[in-house]
Amino acid sequence: GIQVEQSPPDLILQEGANSTLRCNFSDSVNNLQWFHQNPWGQLINLFYIPSGTKQNGRLSATTVATERYSLLYISSSQTTDSGVYFCAVGRQGKLIFGQGTELSVKP
Amino acid sequence: DTGVSQNPRHKITKRGQNVTFRCDPISEHNRLYWYRQTLGQGPEFLTYFQNEAQLEKSRLLSDRFSAERPKGSFSTLEIQRTEQGDSAMYLCASSPSDVLSVLQFFGPGTRLTVL
Repeated sequence: GIQVEQSPPDLILQEGANSTLRCNFSDSVNNLQWFHQNPWGQLINLFYIPSGTKQNGRLSATTVATERYSLLYISSSQTTDSGVYFCAVGRQGKLIFGQGTELSVKP
Repeated sequence: DTGVSQNPRHKITKRGQNVTFRCDPISEHNRLYWYRQTLGQGPEFLTYFQNEAQLEKSRLLSDRFSAERPKGSFSTLEIQRTEQGDSAMYLCASSPSDVLSVLQFFGPGTRLTVL
């Protein structure tokens, strides 16, 4: 099956810093989503980005499908950005999740 | 609220008991998915429905697990004879069309604790 690897597994930032999270996947996919999981467990959609680049406020994402990776950029981080970020890829409907990057933003 | 809803949000049960969870997808979404997430891990796919048809089941879905979507709207996930290893967050998601690659929207989850 498709393997999804996220890096780094953990990241500690000072408020205001920028960060890049990476997602590598092992095979071609036709769906890629980035999620933020809040402390209560809710998965919040950030981006649907099987290819190309998108931006939403301080967050942006780029997927290079031919090279099988995606990047999530967080600029000017805030304490509310803390939590776990998941990349998930899909083919034939179901999503396959990576292990996540746990981000902690310190004031 | 027009998002995916799940009930109950929390369930504590004793080993050996049966439990049932409910998921109400976003209105008119014809695909519905169940995932399980254990502590420190990413969610893992369990099964999905297109309308009332169950199209795929993961090997994680043992014989003690059964999912239904009888009218193509809400879905139930039942676990029989629960074990401590079933303790996890059970997540439901829905997506809007028959196209293979579509955006999935997740509910808040049901957290199961088996004592």
